[in-house]
Amino acid sequence: QVQLVQSGAEVKKPGASVKVSCKASGYIFTGYYMHWVRQAPGQGLEWMGWINPNSGGTNYAQNFQGRVTMTRDTSISTAYMELSRLRSDDTAVYYCARVGTHYDSSGSPTDAFDIWGQGTMVTVSS
Amino acid sequence: SSELTQDPAVSVALGQRVRITCQGDSLRSYYVSWYQQKPGQAPVLVIYGKNYRPSGIPDRFSGSSSGNTASLTITGAQAEDEADYYCNSRESSGNSWVFGGGTKLTVL
Repeated sequence: QVQLVQSGAEVKKPGASVKVSCKASGYIFTGYYMHWVRQAPGQGLEWMGWINPNSGGTNYAQNFQGRVTMTRDTSISTAYMELSRLRSDDTAVYYCARVGTHYDSSGSPTDAFDIWGQGTMVTVSS
Repeated sequence: SSELTQDPAVSVALGQRVRITCQGDSLRSYYVSWYQQKPGQAPVLVIYGKNYRPSGIPDRFSGSSSGNTASLTITGAQAEDEADYYCNSRESSGNSWVFGGGTKLTVL
């Protein structure tokens, strides 16, 4: 079945980096953009950015520019999100999500974050 | 950057209809999608586009939009619908996305 499986929980010290993986299966990896979303404890969802697995092109949310890098390895259908210079407020669950985009008759895009990974807890603590 | 605004909390009596709203300037240009999240679980897509439901989502969930406001309606709310609901859409640039702050739905 279609699924995204993420790497396990991480504990990092402030200033360090973390790299989370997201392995796709059950569909053509290069056919859908992969987005990353995080959720701090007790808080809402925060969009971080996307990667086009086909081209490797990326776009990052302004809040993360300069600290986040999204990459992929098409040979193993896996996307990665690396966040550097970690702070305590980066403590959160990080999700990858497959996004399908269709265009209606007027050319307007319809996006659906239709498959989500199980989430990876990243704790930043000294 | 664009923002999407949701009421923090909404309640509904069991079996009644409830509407959860999402406001934002970008909604005049882009469709919204809606996600249900239960404690300790990843979000689940419930509505996207004009008013599409993924396979497995009950037909009591529906979506609509007018101007800068989108709505998720649950007709005949069930106890299992108690969850946080988030709206999501593209920002005005069209190349970035944003989530609303979320609405906690309580079924009484």
